[in-house]
Amino acid sequence: DTAVSQTPKYLVTQMGNDKSIKCEQNLGHDTMYWYKQDSKKFLKIMFSYNNKELIINETVPNRFSPKSPDKAHLNLHINSLELGDSAVYFCASSQERTRTGNTIYFGEGSWLTVV
Amino acid sequence: AQKVTQAQTEISVVEKEDVTLDCVYETRDTTYYLFWYKQPPSGELVFLIRRNSFDEQNEISGRYSWNFQKSTSSFNFTITASQVVDSAVYFCALSEAASGSRLTFGEGTQLTVNP
Repeated sequence: DTAVSQTPKYLVTQMGNDKSIKCEQNLGHDTMYWYKQDSKKFLKIMFSYNNKELIINETVPNRFSPKSPDKAHLNLHINSLELGDSAVYFCASSQERTRTGNTIYFGEGSWLTVV
Repeated sequence: AQKVTQAQTEISVVEKEDVTLDCVYETRDTTYYLFWYKQPPSGELVFLIRRNSFDEQNEISGRYSWNFQKSTSSFNFTITASQVVDSAVYFCALSEAASGSRLTFGEGTQLTVNP
């Protein structure tokens, strides 16, 4: 059983298009994240939601809009895609048992290529 | 500001050799958490270990061991008797109490184990 699942795994699209990546976790966690891994494999947080409430919003272009319909889902919508958006996007989740330092579990990643 | 440095970009060893992956961190927080993740060629991020700043005991899990030394701000990872399946990118990460469960990752170390 996949704990954190995201779809699609691979996505190739043209510049200017709008696309979404969906994420679901079945771990019963209350916090979900989106991380971006660039071509040099550097990982950086984009967003974090706790119980459907946005709690972390890094300096990300407003073309990126996360949406959390419930605490088990966190989708990422990207408008007007640019070449620089090509990356691997990881969804993740954690259970906030303590205020900090909780273990974060990642999905398998979504490879986005903008051409 | 928090920072994680993995100075070894790539390491190549022959099967059965022991290998140590270095991780040095910077933080002003007295409460923080350290993590290691593995990213195999298939691309997913696999959680390996979590350590809090108050627990300097070394940990061993099978062929994996971790050495946490606050005096040198290091959290090194050793694989004993390496195997080809250990080939992956390994990431060290830090989470400060002040920033919730947000992870700051190092640049990663590409480990290649040759038969």
